[in-house]
Amino acid sequence: KQEVTQIPAALSVPEGENLVLNCSFTDSAIYNLQWFRQDPGKGLTSLLLIQSSQREQTSGRLNASLDKSSGRSTLYIAASQPGDSATYLCALSHSSYKLIFGSGTRLLVRP
Amino acid sequence: DAGVTQSPTHLIKTRGQQVTLRCSPKSGHDTVSWYQQALGQGPQFIFQYYEEEERQRGNFPDRFSGHQFPNYSSELNVNALLLGDSALYLCASSSLLERSYNEQFFGPGTRLTVL
Repeated sequence: KQEVTQIPAALSVPEGENLVLNCSFTDSAIYNLQWFRQDPGKGLTSLLLIQSSQREQTSGRLNASLDKSSGRSTLYIAASQPGDSATYLCALSHSSYKLIFGSGTRLLVRP
Repeated sequence: DAGVTQSPTHLIKTRGQQVTLRCSPKSGHDTVSWYQQALGQGPQFIFQYYEEEERQRGNFPDRFSGHQFPNYSSELNVNALLLGDSALYLCASSSLLERSYNEQFFGPGTRLTVL
């Protein structure tokens, strides 16, 4: 059974700092991995999708990497801003069906 | 281009009642998935619909049922509501016809409170 773990559960950093969010999974036979952002009480916004054959994806200040052999993905946020404060969720799928989510990392960027 | 839309945004019900939540997928998408998110947790997969049929189901009881219409919109029905059904219900859409690698796009959710 696939298990997805996100560490840390919460993170508080000063504005401008570069930071890394971690996601680990137990079954490396994945189809893809997605990183999402969720603001309090809101839906999920897709940030990056990494196909199983890819190693990383970049969008603006965000960079996500995938290492299937070690069961890990990281989301790197450069030059963090207060507007980046949110919960970040990683989710993976083994097919075109369901996503399996971690519990998320709550990020606070202090001005 | 409208994204995924859900209605209503909030709903308050009492135990034992029934509820229907609605979802319209992103334009061009043909697949709808439903997720339940309890406070402080990641979303849990309920089921997925494609071509008006349930393709896969998560670990949820039969009180949870769904439907997909010819225009790809979908409904989630929950019968005999329990206090534990209080959660944010999220709808996600994707396309099996495109090489989208199952990228799923989520709606704003419906907050269900069961009293």
